[in-house]
Amino acid sequence: EVQLVESGGGLVQPGGSLRLSCAASGFTFSGYWMSWVRQAPGKALEWVANMKQDGSQRYYVDSVKGRFTISRDNAKNSLYLQMNSLRAEDTAVYYCVRALRFSWLSSDYWGQGTHVTVSS
Amino acid sequence: DIQMTQSPSSLSASVGDRVSITCRASQSISSYLNWYQQKPGKAPQLLIYAASSLQSGVPSRFSGGGSGTDFTLTISSLQPEDFAIYYCQQSYTTPVTFGPGTKVDIK
Repeated sequence: EVQLVESGGGLVQPGGSLRLSCAASGFTFSGYWMSWVRQAPGKALEWVANMKQDGSQRYYVDSVKGRFTISRDNAKNSLYLQMNSLRAEDTAVYYCVRALRFSWLSSDYWGQGTHVTVSS
Repeated sequence: DIQMTQSPSSLSASVGDRVSITCRASQSISSYLNWYQQKPGKAPQLLIYAASSLQSGVPSRFSGGGSGTDFTLTISSLQPEDFAIYYCQQSYTTPVTFGPGTKVDIK
């Protein structure tokens, strides 16, 4: 069974940092593009970033470029999101998401999400 | 960035009704369009990919159509478990973008 379990969320002050982790199991992690998608309270989904299987390509939404870094450790079946210079508008549930094997920008499995609140 | 719009933003329907939701892209995305269902407090679930392909395990009452800029999600006979928010998403290019969602609730 495919499982994606996020951790690392919490309350942080504006300008602070957090590192989110996603532990993957039930599939060959190194064979899939992986993404982070977020959802602010009561709002629509927003794609944040994704990363190729071998880590050689990564893409970001403009609003997080230069502040967030996506990374992965295939040996540990884990995906990460380092978030720096956090802003109130980064407050959201962050989902770890697996891409379809044949469509790198489509997502089939989602974790349950980890909450990030940026507030003083 | 490609902008995605959905209509209606919400609808009320009864069990057994046929329901259709429209999604429009700001430029042609061929068939690179997915539909997701999200229930309160839960992660989204993929229903349809590539505009019209049913994801494994999804009931056949869900169907998708369209290409280019205009797409439709249809639920042929609404069931109690289908009351949720539905999002379209373009997978044509980065940044991936989602529609604002359509809330389907009980009449």
